[in-house]
Amino acid sequence: EDQVTQSPEALRLQEGESSSLNCSYTVSGLRGLFWYRQDPGKGPEFLFTLYSAGEEKEKERLKATLTKKESFLHITAPKPEDSATYLCAVQPFHTGTASKLTFGTGTRLQVTL
Amino acid sequence: GAVVSQHPSWVICKSGTSVKIECRSLDFQATTMFWYRQFPKQSLMLMATSNEGSKATYEQGVEKDKFLINHASLTLSTLTVTSAHPEDSSFYICSARPPGIAYEQYFGPGTRLTVT
Repeated sequence: EDQVTQSPEALRLQEGESSSLNCSYTVSGLRGLFWYRQDPGKGPEFLFTLYSAGEEKEKERLKATLTKKESFLHITAPKPEDSATYLCAVQPFHTGTASKLTFGTGTRLQVTL
Repeated sequence: GAVVSQHPSWVICKSGTSVKIECRSLDFQATTMFWYRQFPKQSLMLMATSNEGSKATYEQGVEKDKFLINHASLTLSTLTVTSAHPEDSSFYICSARPPGIAYEQYFGPGTRLTVT
């Protein structure tokens, strides 16, 4: 059974204090790992897709990395507007063309002044 | 690009009535759309996969007669909650996958359903 575990459950940072969010996964054949940002009362916003171990992607203050067992979302010098829940999801090959995602429970990030 | 809309954004209905939620891909055609449910402070749970022109595929434990899904065109999928009860109150979110080799899903803004 595919499993995704995110840690920490919640994280409070001061503005400018860099940190990392972790996403550990167990899947029989990873097609892709996805990071989303979700603001309260809204749908998830796509951030990154990672397909193979060693791959890295960056967007503004965010950088996502992937190994064979986990992914990290690094946040450099965060700002209050980065406050949100960050979701990790995996898509295994065995879902075929269905492309189903299995989500973790997310990390709630709060960045204070 | 890859914008998905939902309508309505929130709805309140009485127990026993039916509610329809629309999901539209605005700038691309989506052969596959997905419906999720999310409870407060919990993650997204996939309810069903909607394929244009064919029957939806429901996840285990999801009542297909209660949650009717129709993917009538390449840009529109609908979820109808039939005979709604208070326990159906939740945040319903759809997503769509643009055509091509990438496998990202793009999500709508969600619909908050409250059944009284």
